[in-house]
Amino acid sequence: GESVGLHLPTLSVQEGDNSIINCAYSNSASDYFIWYKQESGKGPQFIIDIRSNMDKRQGQRVTVLLNKTVKHLSLQIAATQPGDSAVYFCAENRKAGTASKLTFGTGTRLQVTL
Amino acid sequence: DTAVSQTPKYLVTQMGNDKSIKCEQNLGHDTMYWYKQDSKKFLKIMFSYNNKELIINETVPNRFSPKSPDKAHLNLHINSLELGDSAVYFCASSLAGGTYEQYFGPGTRLTVT
Repeated sequence: GESVGLHLPTLSVQEGDNSIINCAYSNSASDYFIWYKQESGKGPQFIIDIRSNMDKRQGQRVTVLLNKTVKHLSLQIAATQPGDSAVYFCAENRKAGTASKLTFGTGTRLQVTL
Repeated sequence: DTAVSQTPKYLVTQMGNDKSIKCEQNLGHDTMYWYKQDSKKFLKIMFSYNNKELIINETVPNRFSPKSPDKAHLNLHINSLELGDSAVYFCASSLAGGTYEQYFGPGTRLTVT
């Protein structure tokens, strides 16, 4: 079966440092990956996505790297801020008819210390 | 404007009761979803509808019945509630086609006592 997992359940980072959150996936047929941020008491919020024909994608302070050889995905957050504290999920997307079926990883809690 | 909204935000009820959670999206999306997030934060898809048609139906007890009156609404009805149904339920929506990001609602925390 497929699985999407994270290596570190909790990551503590000092404010201003860069954060790296990792994710492993097992379904080599997956062609679309998404990172979500979930703050306490809120729903998951889209951060950035990447398609399997890309190795890297950058957004504002965030970069996603995809290594299809080892089936690994990472999210890099530059200059981490207190507002970045949240649980981060990677999700593997596969088409299911006209819907997208997301399989979420277990999540990594990012704690930003002052 | 709220993109994906759910009501109620909190729902506390006793075992055996029947309850409904409502979801509405104003993004013009054709596809809507229900997810369950357990106490360990694990998110798992339950159902997906596209333009009122059921597309995804994961292994969910038949006590759970989604209903889509139109493509902007997807409600979740739960019969004979059990303790294990306690969780946070999220509604989401996306464009149709299978490779678009999903937008999530704020969640409904269901507590069954």
